[in-house]
Amino acid sequence: DAGITQSPRYKITETGRQVTLMCHQTWSHSYMFWYRQDLGHGLRLIYYSAAADITDKGEVPDGYVVSRSKTENFPLTLESATRSQTSVYFCASSESGGAGSPLHFGNGTRLTVT
Amino acid sequence: SQQGEEDPQALSIQEGENATMNCSYKTSINNLQWYRQNSGRGLVHLILIRSNEREKHSGRLRVTLDTSKKSSSLLITASRAADTASYFCATVSATGFQKLVFGTGTRLLVSP
Repeated sequence: DAGITQSPRYKITETGRQVTLMCHQTWSHSYMFWYRQDLGHGLRLIYYSAAADITDKGEVPDGYVVSRSKTENFPLTLESATRSQTSVYFCASSESGGAGSPLHFGNGTRLTVT
Repeated sequence: SQQGEEDPQALSIQEGENATMNCSYKTSINNLQWYRQNSGRGLVHLILIRSNEREKHSGRLRVTLDTSKKSSSLLITASRAADTASYFCATVSATGFQKLVFGTGTRLLVSP
């Protein structure tokens, strides 16, 4: 089935460890996004990508790294996890950014950093 | 920083009643979108309204946009228990990259 999938669904890691959250979409959408969702802050954009090998920072990029070697995948890496990165992370994709097409979201990864 | 601010933060109504949620934003926009999020799930797109539009309908949803007041409202008519969710507005700036900036959401509870 076409869609956007995130893995893992839940992750517990320790402070200082590296962790990678995966995102895969089957629509061949050009744009992909990573958001984090925290109480009181809503969704905040971490990084986005307009196409393979093109990525750019969003509102809260510090401590995160992304790559996009293939159109369908957009992994998010926390290089050295901190407790402030405990959050729910959502990946999304769209045909043409926000200008004319809606975002399609995955079901999120709940990350806990202990 | 958040572009959209929803009001109220929480809303509790009975089935059959109408629910109105408001969104205010700060800068000029290309379009404004509304999303729904059920507990433990990702966001689902509901409706997109462009800056040159004033009103759009989709089933039981009615969205209005007032660019002079930098505000939008989402009306759900004849609400159902299944409408219980959080609702978010998201704006796309009129300038710069076309990415969505989300508000903090309104939690809607519809009781049977």
